[in-house]
Amino acid sequence: AQSVAQPEDQVNVAEGNPLTVKCTYSVSGNPYLFWYVQYPNRGLQFLLKYITGDNLVKGSYGFEAEFNKSQTSFHLKKPSALVSDSALYFCAVRDRENFNKFYFGSGTKLNVKP
Amino acid sequence: EPEVTQTPSHQVTQMGQEVILRCVPISNHLYFYWYRQILGQKVEFLVSFYNNEISEKSEIFDDQFSVERPDGSNFTLKIRSTKLEDSAMYFCASTGLGNTGELFFGEGSRLTVL
Repeated sequence: AQSVAQPEDQVNVAEGNPLTVKCTYSVSGNPYLFWYVQYPNRGLQFLLKYITGDNLVKGSYGFEAEFNKSQTSFHLKKPSALVSDSALYFCAVRDRENFNKFYFGSGTKLNVKP
Repeated sequence: EPEVTQTPSHQVTQMGQEVILRCVPISNHLYFYWYRQILGQKVEFLVSFYNNEISEKSEIFDDQFSVERPDGSNFTLKIRSTKLEDSAMYFCASTGLGNTGELFFGEGSRLTVL
């Protein structure tokens, strides 16, 4: 069965410190992987994706994510957190051959404190 | 920048009433989706739609739900007889033909069932 896990409901980090939001997946074959951010009362905004190639992908707002095939992980990172990064973050995965379903993780609330 | 638009932004209805949520996907996209999110929590897949028919649906998408694309632009979700537990944020999303495509989400329609 396809699934995505975000093991942390909440991540707290001080402004200026590096942040990591974790994601692991279980999908048959080689998936496409995505990160989305959701601000309060807003829709989900695309941050970045891994398709193929370099395991480190860079996205919007200074975020990056590292694809690790052996650990089936796709952790979201940022070298220096901003208070404005505080939001809900969702990892998502899609099978390469199947457009019909994107699997979303349960979400991780990122709190960046001044 | 093209975007997915959803109406209404908020609808309040009585239990047992029919509700139609409307979406205008990005114009050259071919795959359309409805997701729902209860109280800022997990994003749950409802249904995907391609080539004017449902391509996949979840167990949530029972006989009370239906989707259609009546005029080639609008993509609607109908809930025939709303229940209290249908109260949620409903998100429409679309993606293009390119098989690396991420989902583009609308801002959502908040449904409150009293």
